[in-house]
Amino acid sequence: GQQVMQIPQYQHVQEGEDFTTYCNSSTTLSNIQWYKQRPGGHPVFLIQLVKSGEVKKQKRLTFQFGEAKKNSSLHITATQTTDVGTYFCAGSMYSGGGADGLTFGKGTHLIIQP
Amino acid sequence: KAGVTQTPRYLIKTRGQQVTLSCSPISGHRSVSWYQQTPGQGLQFLFEYFSETQRNKGNFPGRFSGRQFSNSRSEMNVSTLELGDSALYLCASKAGTGAFGEQYFGPGTRLTVT
Repeated sequence: GQQVMQIPQYQHVQEGEDFTTYCNSSTTLSNIQWYKQRPGGHPVFLIQLVKSGEVKKQKRLTFQFGEAKKNSSLHITATQTTDVGTYFCAGSMYSGGGADGLTFGKGTHLIIQP
Repeated sequence: KAGVTQTPRYLIKTRGQQVTLSCSPISGHRSVSWYQQTPGQGLQFLFEYFSETQRNKGNFPGRFSGRQFSNSRSEMNVSTLELGDSALYLCASKAGTGAFGEQYFGPGTRLTVT
C-alpha cells in the first residue's frame, strides 16, 4: 500500500535556528497536505500543494512539492517557541474512480530550546 | 461557525466490549473521515463518509465500522475491543469529498481499553 515516510522523527533546535522536515512517498501523489499538532491538541491544516514543483510560503514557513510529486518539505526560518509541535505531511494517491484517503507520515516532533 | 465536535472526549472500556463514538462536522460539511492516532503507528486513516456513503476505507479489521446520517453526523463503532485499540480517535470534516481540500479535525475521543 501507499506509504509516506517522514524524517526526522525528532528535531531539537535552539530558538532562532531553522528547521526542516522531509516527506517521501513510495507512489506519485495527487496532492500533499501539511498539518501541525500542538501537544495535547489536534491536527490543524497548514497548506495543500498540488502542482509539480510547487512552492508556497506562509510568513516564516516554506513548503515545497517535488517535481515528481513524490516528496515534499517544510522549512521554518528562525524558529520561535510558538512553532513547537508535531508537523505531519499527508498525501493522497488519486485512484481514478475516487480518491484514496489521506496517508499521513508519522510526523516530526519539533522541540525548541529557548 | 462551530468547529468539529466529538463525543465523548474520554472513554474507558474493557476488552471484549464494544464502543460507539460520535462526530458532528462543521455545518455544511458533508465529508467526515475517521483516524486512529497512536504513538507507535501515528495517524492512520479508518474511513471516509460522504452523503451517507462510505467513500474510502483504510486497512483496519471489520471490527471497525462507521456510518453517516442525513445531517452529516457520523458515528464509528468498534466491536470486541482489544487492548491495542487504545488510541485517540479523531474525526475530520470537509466540504467535499475526494483527495483535495482542507480537513478540519475535532478534538478527538481518547479511548482506553483495559
